[in-house]
Amino acid sequence: GENVEQHPSTLSVQEGDSAVIKCTYSDSASNYFPWYKQELGKGPQLIIDIRSNVGEKKDQRIAVTLNKTAKHFSLHITETQPEDSAVYFCAASFDSWGKLQFGAGTQVVVTP
Amino acid sequence: NAGVTQTPKFQVLKTGQSMTLQCAQDMNHEYMSWYRQDPGMGLRLIHYSVGAGITDQGEVPNGYNVSRSTTEDFPLRLLSAAPSQTSVYFCASSRGRADNEQFFGPGTRLTVL
Repeated sequence: GENVEQHPSTLSVQEGDSAVIKCTYSDSASNYFPWYKQELGKGPQLIIDIRSNVGEKKDQRIAVTLNKTAKHFSLHITETQPEDSAVYFCAASFDSWGKLQFGAGTQVVVTP
Repeated sequence: NAGVTQTPKFQVLKTGQSMTLQCAQDMNHEYMSWYRQDPGMGLRLIHYSVGAGITDQGEVPNGYNVSRSTTEDFPLRLLSAAPSQTSVYFCASSRGRADNEQFFGPGTRLTVL
């Protein structure tokens, strides 16, 4: 089955700096790669996703890149703000229903 | 729309007790799933359903049962709770093949003593 590894497990950045989280996946059939943000005490919420026919996608301060050959994808957050502090999860899916395999998560702390 | 709702928010059980975690969605989503979240392990899929009357096992199904009698509801049953089932449980739903975005409920924090 699919295996997703996520690094780093914790990330501390100064406000205004950029943050990068990296994930690798094992199953070359995976074709959908979402990123979720989880705030304390809440359920995860989708922030951006990418499909295997696209190499990069941006939405304001966040972007995701995908390298199918190397089987890795990354989340980039620019101009970080205190409200970006949260746990971020990457995931991969090869299933048409979107059944997901999640990474272990990255705790991001943005310090003023 | 209320989205995905879960009850209860918190629960403490003794080993061997049974209980049902409730999940409901009002978005007419075909796909529903249950995950458990443990520190350092991300979210792991327990069971999922692609429509009323259709369920299947995920990555960690042992000790849990599910059923899907309606599109809206997808309860998770613990038949005989064990300390290893102490976790935070999340229910999620999506339109499925039409749109893979999964919407998560607020979670149920379960402690088994």
